[in-house]
Amino acid sequence: GIQVEQSPPDLILQEGANSTLRCNFSDSVNNLQWFHQNPWGQLINLFYIPSGTKQNGRLSATTVATERYSLLYISSSQTTDSGVYFCAVGASNFGNEKLTFGTGTRLTIIP
Amino acid sequence: EADIYQTPRYLVIGTGKKITLECSQTMGHDKMYWYQQDPGMELHLIHYSYGVNSTEKGDLSSESTVSRIRTEHFPLTLESARPSHTSQYLCASSERTKAFFGQGTRLTVV
Repeated sequence: GIQVEQSPPDLILQEGANSTLRCNFSDSVNNLQWFHQNPWGQLINLFYIPSGTKQNGRLSATTVATERYSLLYISSSQTTDSGVYFCAVGASNFGNEKLTFGTGTRLTIIP
Repeated sequence: EADIYQTPRYLVIGTGKKITLECSQTMGHDKMYWYQQDPGMELHLIHYSYGVNSTEKGDLSSESTVSRIRTEHFPLTLESARPSHTSQYLCASSERTKAFFGQGTRLTVV
């Protein structure tokens, strides 16, 4: 199956700082999504981004499918951004909705 | 945004009991999934369904079973709970693009 690696595993930042989270994957994918898991365990879908660039407020994401990586940018961090960020990918041999998750990046924003 | 619900949120139960975790969605999605997640770890797919009367096992072997009798409902059952089943169970649904997750059930077997 597809291998998904995320870096860094842990990130501690001061409020207001910017951050870049990386997701590398081992094979061609048709589906790539970024999720934020809040401290209560709820997974929130941030982006569906199998290729290209998208922005939503302070968050943006870029996927370079040919080079098999995706980046999630968080600008002007707030304490509510704390939690674990997961990258998940899917490939067309399943119809691309069966997602394989990375190990996540745990982000802690200090006031 | 997402209309997918899991009950119960928390469950503490004794070894050997039969349990059913409920998952319902009102978005009309054909595809539904169960993931298992240990604290601080990644999610592992344990069951999925393409639609009514369609169920398949996921990448992580699980002693649980699922059924899909109605589009909106995808319950997970453990016939005899054991301490090794202690984990968080997350249900999701999707169409072609985004997946939406319920709030999860934290199961503790004592």
